Amino acid sequence: GQNIDQPTEMTATEGAIVQINCTYQTSGFNGLFWYQQHAGEAPTFLSYNVLDGLEEKGRFSSFLSRSKGYSYLLLKELQMKDSASYLCAAMDSNYQLIWGAGTKLIIKP
Amino acid sequence: SQTIHQWPATLVQPVGSPLSLECTVEGTSNPNLYWYRQAAGRGLQLLFYSVGIGQISSEVPQNLSASRPQDRQFILSSKKLLLSDSGFYLCAWKRDGFESEKLFFGSGTQLSVL
Repeated sequence: GQNIDQPTEMTATEGAIVQINCTYQTSGFNGLFWYQQHAGEAPTFLSYNVLDGLEEKGRFSSFLSRSKGYSYLLLKELQMKDSASYLCAAMDSNYQLIWGAGTKLIIKP
Repeated sequence: SQTIHQWPATLVQPVGSPLSLECTVEGTSNPNLYWYRQAAGRGLQLLFYSVGIGQISSEVPQNLSASRPQDRQFILSSKKLLLSDSGFYLCAWKRDGFESEKLFFGSGTQLSVL
């Protein structure tokens, strides 16, 4: 079956760095997405990886290893506004998204 | 620029009552449209998607139905709500023909069935 695993909750300190991991098993693979979702709001797109390696966008970076079925989202210089859920989603061979349950990130001062 | 509107933002309905949630997209034509449900502690569940007017694909057999009466309008309905229909409903779109592109989500509807 198709499956996405990511931690349920993580806690980090303002100004620090946090890495949120995601492992996936899909029928075929057409890329991996990370979305940010604040409580009660819509998910917003953060990153898309389809090739192995690291993609950097300001304070946020995303990494993909297709051979390991593994991705991570790296958040640097954490700010209080980064407190949110981070959703990992893998796209299968039919271009359907398989979603993880999300990782709730709590930032403490 | 493209925008997506979804309403209402919150809804409290009794069991057995009907449901109608509406979603419209502006600034693009022939978008692919999606309805998702998000339950606490679970990943987004795809309910329906549409690639064109009158074309609806159902991913999960359930108490809900969807319709696309116009190119940029997507409606989620139920004739009789169940307690298990409670959840956060999200409408989303992406450009037709760009299969691996990102989704743009509406602001969501929090549905409570009592």
